[in-house]
This record gives sequence, C-alpha cells and structure tokens, in this order.
Amino acid sequence: QKEVEQNSGPLSVPEGAIASLNCTYSDRVSQSFFWYRQYSGKSPELIMSIYSNGDKEDGRFTAQLNKASQYVSLLIRDSQPSDSATYLCAVNTGGFKTIFGAGTRLFVKA
Amino acid sequence: GAGVSQSPRYKVTKRGQDVALRCDPISGHVSLYWYRQALGQGPEFLTYFNYEAQQDKSGLPNDRFSAERPEGSISTLTIQRTEQRDSAMYRCASSLSGRALYDNEQFFGPGTRLTVL
Repeated sequence: QKEVEQNSGPLSVPEGAIASLNCTYSDRVSQSFFWYRQYSGKSPELIMSIYSNGDKEDGRFTAQLNKASQYVSLLIRDSQPSDSATYLCAVNTGGFKTIFGAGTRLFVKA
Repeated sequence: GAGVSQSPRYKVTKRGQDVALRCDPISGHVSLYWYRQALGQGPEFLTYFNYEAQQDKSGLPNDRFSAERPEGSISTLTIQRTEQRDSAMYRCASSLSGRALYDNEQFFGPGTRLTVL
C-alpha cells in the first residue's frame, strides 16, 4: 500500500463546476496535510495546508480533513481552465519527511 | 522577497562524471529539503536539513548521493559516478521550520533537470 494515494485521473470537469480531488494516507500519526498545484513543466506551488479535522476555505479552494478515515480532499469551486494542472497531496507525519502522492491531473473544459 | 533558487537549471553530463546541484533557500528558512521527481510522479524525498544538520537522509538512493549545508543556508546535492538512471528533475524546497506545526509549509525552487548520457 502506498503511503499517500491519489487517483491519477485525468479528472475532467466543465468550466464553472466543482472539482473534487481526493487523497488517502496510511500513517495514522500524520499531522500536516498539504495540497500543491503543479503546472506542466513547472515546480509544485503550495495552495492549501490543513492541520485539524474539518474544512478550511481559501477563496475558491476548500480543503477537508478527516483523520479518522485518513482522508483529505480538495474542492475547487467555479473551476476555470487556468485550474487545469496536476494536484499533489502531501502528508507530513510530524517528523522530517513529507510524502507526496503521485498527483491527480485535472482538466477544466471551457 | 526572493524565492528558492537552484542552479544549474539544466545539467547534461556523461556517465561516470560527478555533478553538484546547488540550492539557495528562502532567507530565514531553517529547513531545507531535497527531492527527486520523475515524470508523472510526485516529488520523492531524498534528504532534510535543519540549519546545517542533516537530520534525515533516508531517501538517498545509495552512497553515490550526498548532500551538505555547511553554513545552514546554501545546500549542495552531489552525485558521484553518475549513471543513466540518475536522470531526473531534482527539486529543493525550504520551510520556516521542519518541526513546528504551521511553520512546515514547503516552498519549491524551479528544479535542476539532470540528464546523464
């Protein structure tokens, strides 16, 4: 079992729709959770961090964390073509190592 | 302020040569991380520094790989006797603190694309 799992996609949504990206992790002691956006040929860009159960909203982005289910998700409201990218889920167990998932490719169709 | 910088951006070398990749973190960031990223995959952890101390090198693939951060700022990842399988994007990231919750958000540099012929 991979430590951080994401559906590789591609996930295709129409412009203006809600995109839902999911991630599961295996280490129960994980404390910090991050979503990065990576455009093709570019470096990962941090878009959300979440540390406690529940929802965290920032503009069109909402991160959701459920530690009991070892599940973290990212919702993108009013999706735009510029949101088309690979979204990486990353998990830190409280030590030094951060584990990244393989990423989910998102396509937003105009 | 300036972000994380890496040099060179591209490096082509012949098998068997040594290469040194440089990372300059965001000013004031205590923690520095090295990753390797293959096409279509997420970054793979290589090593971590807290100030000048290398506190986790569990991700280094073998003893041809080493890293240092002698003054707690700039770091160098060295690959000796390069092999074709070492070809990848090498990324550096830094954070305010690797330990403290809420301060461990990592910011990535542009990466160094290494090609071993």
